[in-house]
Amino acid sequence: QKEVEQNSGPLSVPEGAIASLNCTYSDRGSQSFFWYRQYSGKSPELIMSIYSNGDKEDGRFTAQLNKASQYVSLLIRDSQPSDSATYLCAVNGRSGSARQLTFGSGTQLTVLP
Amino acid sequence: DGGITQSPKYLFRKEGQNVTLSCEQNLNHDAMYWYRQDPGQGLRLIYYSQIVNDFQKGDIAEGYSVSREKKESFPLTVTSAQKNPTAFYLCASSTQGNGLFFGSGTQLSVL
Repeated sequence: QKEVEQNSGPLSVPEGAIASLNCTYSDRGSQSFFWYRQYSGKSPELIMSIYSNGDKEDGRFTAQLNKASQYVSLLIRDSQPSDSATYLCAVNGRSGSARQLTFGSGTQLTVLP
Repeated sequence: DGGITQSPKYLFRKEGQNVTLSCEQNLNHDAMYWYRQDPGQGLRLIYYSQIVNDFQKGDIAEGYSVSREKKESFPLTVTSAQKNPTAFYLCASSTQGNGLFFGSGTQLSVL
């Protein structure tokens, strides 16, 4: 079992719709959770971080964390073609050190005009 | 502007050759990291350093070496012992408990 799992996609949504990206993790003691956006040929960009159960909203992005289910998700409202990218989920282990940061393989999102 | 600068953007290695990838940051971050990304895969940790003059192996350190003589700089050498070096290399830095901030990456290919 992979430590951090994401659906590889591709996930396609129409412009204006809600895109839902999901991530599960195996280490129950994980403390910190991050979502990165990566455009083709570019480096990952941190877009959301979440540390406690519940929802965290930032503009059109909402991160949701459920530690009991070991599940973290990213919702993108009013999706735009510029949101088309690969989204990487990253989970930090118990120590909180970035040494313990584990990345999923990413979900490719395409927003259709 | 604060950030992480990687150079070169593209690099070609001949068989048996060592090559060095540069990474410089002016974010005043203590910790720096090197990751490797292969197509369609997540990031894998090569080396990391939490303070000057100290660094630790990551998950795939074989065939690579690093140094951390200055807080701002963390160069990565891909040695001839790395038999499959073609990949996208990413340097990152962080402060404790926060996410990573990445440089723009170096694409390394083998001639």
